[in-house]
Amino acid sequence: RKEVEQDPGPFNVPEGATVAFNCTYSNSASQSFFWYRQDCRKEPKLLMSVYSSGNEDGRFTAQLNRASQYISLLIRDSKLSDSATYLCVVNPSTGFQKLVFGTGTRLLVSP
Amino acid sequence: DTAVSQTPKYLVTQMGNDKSIKCEQNLGHDTMYWYKQDSKKFLKIMFSYNNKELIINETVPNRFSPKSPDKAHLNLHINSLELGDSAVYFCASSPPGLAGKYFGPGTRLTVL
Repeated sequence: RKEVEQDPGPFNVPEGATVAFNCTYSNSASQSFFWYRQDCRKEPKLLMSVYSSGNEDGRFTAQLNRASQYISLLIRDSKLSDSATYLCVVNPSTGFQKLVFGTGTRLLVSP
Repeated sequence: DTAVSQTPKYLVTQMGNDKSIKCEQNLGHDTMYWYKQDSKKFLKIMFSYNNKELIINETVPNRFSPKSPDKAHLNLHINSLELGDSAVYFCASSPPGLAGKYFGPGTRLTVL
């Protein structure tokens, strides 16, 4: 079983749609969680951290369910510029950061 | 004002050659990393250094040798390049604690 699993997509949605991505992780002792965004042929960039109570940043909402080892990202009012690959990322350790990346979910937003 | 920079951006070389990739960060972070992203886009950690000390080595072949002359630099030297080394190599740095990382623009290595 992979440490971090995501549906690879692609998710094809029209502008303005709401889309949700899910992710599961295998290590129940994992300490911190993130969503990264990666554009084609570019580096991954931190989109947002994911907190136990859930958190929101503009049109983006992240949720964490530790009991189910499940993380989600909701994007409201999709923009063309949201088209990218979204990487679910988990830090399984308490010490130095060793981020474990999912293989990503590709999102295509069309006009 | 680049935060994490890498050189070169592209590297095309023959099997068996030795090559180096350089990385520098101006964020004042203590911890730096090398990641490899293969053709299936899977991003996996290779090494991590904290204040010039190696702290993570993820079963990478010893043909790969990282070197950190100071905490702002982490270079990657690869000996006897193989076809399977073709990938994009990302350098990253992070502040203390559990914050996310900052990635460099990547070096696309192609071994022919």
